[in-house]
Amino acid sequence: DGGITQSPKYLFRKEGQNVTLSCEQNLNHDAMYWYRQDPGQGLRLIYYSQIVNDFQKGDIAEGYSVSREKKESFPLTVTSAQKNPTAFYLCASSITGKGYEQYFGPGTRLTVT
Amino acid sequence: AQSVTQLGSHVSVSEGALVLLRCNYSSSVPPYLFWYVQYPNQGLQLLLKYTTGATLVKGINGFEAEFKKSETSFHLTKPSAHMSDAAEYFCAVSYNFNKFYFGSGTKLNVKP
Repeated sequence: DGGITQSPKYLFRKEGQNVTLSCEQNLNHDAMYWYRQDPGQGLRLIYYSQIVNDFQKGDIAEGYSVSREKKESFPLTVTSAQKNPTAFYLCASSITGKGYEQYFGPGTRLTVT
Repeated sequence: AQSVTQLGSHVSVSEGALVLLRCNYSSSVPPYLFWYVQYPNQGLQLLLKYTTGATLVKGINGFEAEFKKSETSFHLTKPSAHMSDAAEYFCAVSYNFNKFYFGSGTKLNVKP
Protein backbone atom coordinates (compact mmCIF):
# COMPACT_ATOMS: atom_id res chain seq x y z
CA ASP A 1 0.00 0.00 0.00
CA GLY A 2 1.28 3.45 -0.88
CA GLY A 3 1.22 6.09 1.75
CA ILE A 4 3.00 8.32 4.21
CA THR A 5 4.47 7.08 7.46
CA GLN A 6 5.21 9.28 10.41
CA SER A 7 6.90 7.99 13.49
CA PRO A 8 6.50 7.92 16.35
CA LYS A 9 2.81 8.66 16.94
CA TYR A 10 3.56 10.23 20.34
CA LEU A 11 6.83 11.81 21.39
CA PHE A 12 7.85 13.26 24.71
CA ARG A 13 10.93 15.40 25.27
CA LYS A 14 12.42 17.61 27.91
CA GLU A 15 12.79 21.30 27.24
CA GLY A 16 16.14 22.16 25.71
CA GLN A 17 16.48 18.95 23.72
CA ASN A 18 16.39 18.75 19.94
CA VAL A 19 14.04 16.13 18.53
CA THR A 20 13.66 14.72 15.01
CA LEU A 21 10.32 13.66 13.56
CA SER A 22 10.36 11.10 10.80
CA CYS A 23 8.36 11.28 7.56
CA GLU A 24 8.63 8.67 4.81
CA GLN A 25 6.51 8.29 1.67
CA ASN A 26 6.37 5.61 -0.99
CA LEU A 27 4.06 7.49 -3.34
CA ASN A 28 6.93 8.66 -5.56
CA HIS A 29 5.91 12.26 -4.93
CA ASP A 30 8.41 15.04 -5.53
CA ALA A 31 6.89 17.57 -3.12
CA MET A 32 6.81 17.13 0.66
CA TYR A 33 5.58 19.39 3.43
CA TRP A 34 5.61 19.83 7.19
CA TYR A 35 2.73 21.47 9.01
CA ARG A 36 2.12 22.32 12.60
CA GLN A 37 -1.42 22.08 13.96
CA ASP A 38 -2.62 23.84 17.11
CA PRO A 39 -6.24 23.92 18.27
CA GLY A 40 -8.26 26.56 16.44
CA GLN A 41 -5.39 27.60 14.17
CA GLY A 42 -5.68 25.22 11.29
CA LEU A 43 -2.49 24.05 9.63
CA ARG A 44 0.56 26.27 9.48
CA LEU A 45 3.33 25.51 7.02
CA ILE A 46 6.77 24.99 8.51
CA TYR A 47 8.88 23.87 5.54
CA TYR A 48 8.31 22.41 2.12
CA SER A 49 10.43 20.76 -0.52
CA GLN A 50 9.67 20.36 -4.19
CA ILE A 51 12.74 18.36 -5.10
CA VAL A 52 15.55 16.44 -3.47
CA ASN A 53 18.27 18.60 -1.90
CA ASP A 54 16.10 21.71 -1.99
CA PHE A 55 13.59 23.10 0.49
CA GLN A 56 11.94 26.40 1.38
CA LYS A 57 10.82 28.01 4.60
CA GLY A 58 7.14 28.21 5.24
CA ASP A 59 5.30 30.65 7.47
CA ILE A 60 6.67 29.45 10.82
CA ALA A 61 10.14 28.04 10.12
CA GLU A 62 11.92 29.60 13.11
CA GLY A 63 13.19 26.95 15.49
CA TYR A 64 12.83 24.14 12.95
CA SER A 65 15.16 22.54 10.42
CA VAL A 66 14.71 19.94 7.66
CA SER A 67 16.70 17.93 5.17
CA ARG A 68 15.75 16.27 1.90
CA GLU A 69 18.52 13.89 0.98
CA LYS A 70 16.20 11.26 -0.48
CA LYS A 71 12.97 11.60 -2.40
CA GLU A 72 11.14 9.36 0.08
CA SER A 73 12.24 11.07 3.27
CA PHE A 74 11.75 14.54 4.76
CA PRO A 75 12.69 14.58 8.47
CA LEU A 76 11.88 17.57 10.65
CA THR A 77 14.06 18.61 13.58
CA VAL A 78 12.48 20.67 16.32
CA THR A 79 15.33 22.55 17.93
CA SER A 80 15.63 23.98 21.40
CA ALA A 81 15.19 27.40 19.81
CA GLN A 82 11.52 26.68 19.12
CA LYS A 83 9.78 28.49 21.96
CA ASN A 84 6.56 26.51 22.02
CA PRO A 85 7.17 23.13 20.40
CA THR A 86 4.28 21.18 21.90
CA ALA A 87 1.90 20.54 18.99
CA PHE A 88 0.58 18.03 16.48
CA TYR A 89 2.88 17.76 13.46
CA LEU A 90 1.66 16.62 10.06
CA CYS A 91 3.72 15.59 7.08
CA ALA A 92 2.26 15.63 3.57
CA SER A 93 3.32 14.96 0.02
CA SER A 94 1.99 15.71 -3.43
CA ILE A 95 2.71 15.39 -7.11
CA THR A 96 4.38 18.54 -8.40
CA GLY A 97 2.07 20.46 -10.67
CA LYS A 98 -1.14 22.42 -10.76
CA GLY A 99 -4.16 21.18 -8.92
CA TYR A 100 -2.76 18.06 -7.29
CA GLU A 101 -3.92 17.35 -3.78
CA GLN A 102 -1.78 16.64 -0.76
CA TYR A 103 -1.64 13.27 0.94
CA PHE A 104 -1.16 13.36 4.69
CA GLY A 105 0.54 11.12 7.18
CA PRO A 106 -1.10 10.16 10.50
CA GLY A 107 0.78 12.84 12.44
CA THR A 108 3.11 12.97 15.42
CA ARG A 109 2.02 14.54 18.69
CA LEU A 110 5.02 16.13 20.36
CA THR A 111 4.91 17.09 24.01
CA VAL A 112 7.78 19.06 25.51
CA THR A 113 7.91 19.60 29.25
CA ALA B 1 -2.04 37.78 0.33
CA GLN B 2 -4.04 34.66 -0.20
CA SER B 3 -6.29 33.56 2.62
CA VAL B 4 -9.04 31.09 3.32
CA THR B 5 -11.91 31.82 5.67
CA GLN B 6 -14.11 29.16 7.18
CA LEU B 7 -17.12 30.72 8.79
CA GLY B 8 -17.98 29.01 12.06
CA SER B 9 -15.37 27.13 14.05
CA HIS B 10 -18.10 24.81 15.37
CA VAL B 11 -21.23 23.65 13.60
CA SER B 12 -23.83 21.39 15.18
CA VAL B 13 -26.54 19.54 13.26
CA SER B 14 -28.97 16.76 14.03
CA GLU B 15 -28.57 13.37 12.45
CA GLY B 16 -30.37 13.41 9.11
CA ALA B 17 -30.18 17.19 8.73
CA LEU B 18 -28.40 19.14 6.03
CA VAL B 19 -24.72 19.83 6.57
CA LEU B 20 -23.40 23.17 5.27
CA LEU B 21 -19.82 24.19 5.95
CA ARG B 22 -18.70 27.51 4.52
CA CYS B 23 -15.44 28.39 2.83
CA ASN B 24 -14.43 31.65 1.16
CA TYR B 25 -11.11 32.53 -0.35
CA SER B 26 -9.56 35.87 -1.13
CA SER B 27 -7.73 35.99 -4.42
CA SER B 28 -8.19 37.61 -7.78
CA VAL B 29 -6.86 34.45 -9.38
CA PRO B 30 -9.16 31.43 -9.23
CA PRO B 31 -7.47 28.81 -7.12
CA TYR B 32 -7.61 25.06 -6.98
CA LEU B 33 -9.93 24.18 -4.10
CA PHE B 34 -9.97 21.28 -1.67
CA TRP B 35 -11.93 20.00 1.28
CA TYR B 36 -10.29 17.68 3.78
CA VAL B 37 -11.66 15.84 6.80
CA GLN B 38 -9.74 15.06 9.98
CA TYR B 39 -10.75 12.65 12.70
CA PRO B 40 -9.20 13.09 16.17
CA ASN B 41 -5.46 12.45 16.33
CA GLN B 42 -5.31 11.49 12.67
CA GLY B 43 -4.05 13.00 9.45
CA LEU B 44 -6.21 14.75 6.88
CA GLN B 45 -8.13 12.86 4.22
CA LEU B 46 -9.23 14.40 0.95
CA LEU B 47 -13.02 14.67 0.57
CA LEU B 48 -13.12 16.40 -2.80
CA LYS B 49 -11.39 18.94 -4.98
CA TYR B 50 -12.12 21.44 -7.73
CA THR B 51 -9.57 22.10 -10.44
CA THR B 52 -11.40 22.94 -13.68
CA GLY B 53 -14.64 22.09 -15.40
CA ALA B 54 -17.94 21.44 -13.67
CA THR B 55 -18.35 23.70 -10.69
CA LEU B 56 -20.35 21.20 -8.65
CA VAL B 57 -17.97 18.58 -7.35
CA LYS B 58 -18.94 15.32 -5.72
CA GLY B 59 -16.72 13.66 -3.18
CA ILE B 60 -16.58 10.72 -0.85
CA ASN B 61 -19.11 9.91 1.88
CA GLY B 62 -21.92 11.80 0.10
CA PHE B 63 -20.32 15.23 0.32
CA GLU B 64 -20.33 17.76 -2.47
CA ALA B 65 -19.18 21.34 -2.96
CA GLU B 66 -19.89 24.06 -5.46
CA PHE B 67 -17.34 26.55 -6.72
CA LYS B 68 -18.90 29.99 -7.11
CA LYS B 69 -16.38 32.35 -8.65
CA SER B 70 -18.55 35.44 -8.25
CA GLU B 71 -18.84 34.77 -4.52
CA THR B 72 -15.28 33.41 -4.12
CA SER B 73 -16.81 30.50 -2.25
CA PHE B 74 -16.53 26.73 -2.11
CA HIS B 75 -19.08 25.60 0.47
CA LEU B 76 -19.31 21.95 1.46
CA THR B 77 -22.70 20.25 1.77
CA LYS B 78 -24.21 16.90 2.56
CA PRO B 79 -27.98 16.36 2.37
CA SER B 80 -28.26 14.12 5.43
CA ALA B 81 -25.78 14.05 8.29
CA HIS B 82 -24.64 10.81 9.81
CA MET B 83 -23.07 10.31 13.22
CA SER B 84 -19.87 9.19 11.50
CA ASP B 85 -19.57 12.65 9.87
CA ALA B 86 -18.54 14.19 13.20
CA ALA B 87 -15.01 15.43 12.57
CA GLU B 88 -13.08 18.57 11.73
CA TYR B 89 -13.23 19.84 8.17
CA PHE B 90 -10.63 22.00 6.45
CA CYS B 91 -10.92 24.01 3.29
CA ALA B 92 -7.69 24.60 1.36
CA VAL B 93 -6.59 26.42 -1.77
CA SER B 94 -3.55 26.23 -3.97
CA TYR B 95 -2.33 28.15 -6.96
CA ASN B 96 0.50 27.39 -9.29
CA PHE B 97 3.39 26.41 -7.15
CA ASN B 98 2.22 23.58 -4.92
CA LYS B 99 1.88 25.79 -1.87
CA PHE B 100 -1.36 25.24 -0.01
CA TYR B 101 -3.32 27.60 2.22
CA PHE B 102 -5.66 26.14 4.82
CA GLY B 103 -8.62 27.57 6.65
CA SER B 104 -8.74 27.35 10.42
CA GLY B 105 -11.16 24.44 10.34
CA THR B 106 -14.77 23.75 11.29
CA LYS B 107 -15.64 21.11 13.83
CA LEU B 108 -18.87 19.34 12.95
CA ASN B 109 -20.92 17.88 15.75
CA VAL B 110 -23.79 15.54 14.86
CA LYS B 111 -26.52 15.13 17.46
CA PRO B 112 -28.53 11.93 17.63
